[in-house]
Amino acid sequence: AQTVTQSQPEMSVQEAETVTLSCTYDTSESNYYLFWYKQPPSRQMILVIRQEAYKQQNATENRFSVNFQKAAKSFSLKISDSQLGDTAMYFCAFMKPSFNTDKLIFGTGTRLQVFP
Amino acid sequence: EPEVTQTPSHQVTQMGQEVILRCVPISNHLYFYWYRQILGQKVEFLVSFYNNEISEKSEIFDDQFSVERPDGSNFTLKIRSTKLEDSAMYFCASSDMGETQYFGPGTRLLVL
Repeated sequence: AQTVTQSQPEMSVQEAETVTLSCTYDTSESNYYLFWYKQPPSRQMILVIRQEAYKQQNATENRFSVNFQKAAKSFSLKISDSQLGDTAMYFCAFMKPSFNTDKLIFGTGTRLQVFP
Repeated sequence: EPEVTQTPSHQVTQMGQEVILRCVPISNHLYFYWYRQILGQKVEFLVSFYNNEISEKSEIFDDQFSVERPDGSNFTLKIRSTKLEDSAMYFCASSDMGETQYFGPGTRLLVL
């Protein structure tokens, strides 16, 4: 069974600085997707970024980028130029695509606090 | 931009009562999901639904739970006889090709 581990329960960063959130996963699959979701205090789940395992290039979305190390089964999220609005829980998630179901397996989350 | 919607946003119920949580997925999406998040814990998969039937369910999704797509737009989760431990945030999600899932804002369920 697949597992997702986020070893940093809490992180903090000063506004405008850069922070990296860690995620490791365990799977025997070769084809899968990895995601980072953001959950602000409103508790809505917001997609931040997606990475396909077959792509060597790391995904980027504006200030958000990932460092995907397939051999090491590592998928970290880098937030550049941190903003107060980035304060949230961040969840790493794994998905193995199949014909009729693609459930997400989530890590326990990292609470990020951005300070002014 | 299309989004997943959920109603109600909050629901308070007495233990043993039935509740129905409603979701309207993004209109052209084919895959639908329910997840649960107990306060302070991680998000857990409950059930996936494709082609008008359950495609996968977790151990949490026991006989007291059921899902339905009663028409072309709604997707519901019914809890037949609620327990205290059912108190959680329930998220509906949908995807088009079974890849990226988009989540609704959630229904906060409190069982007293």
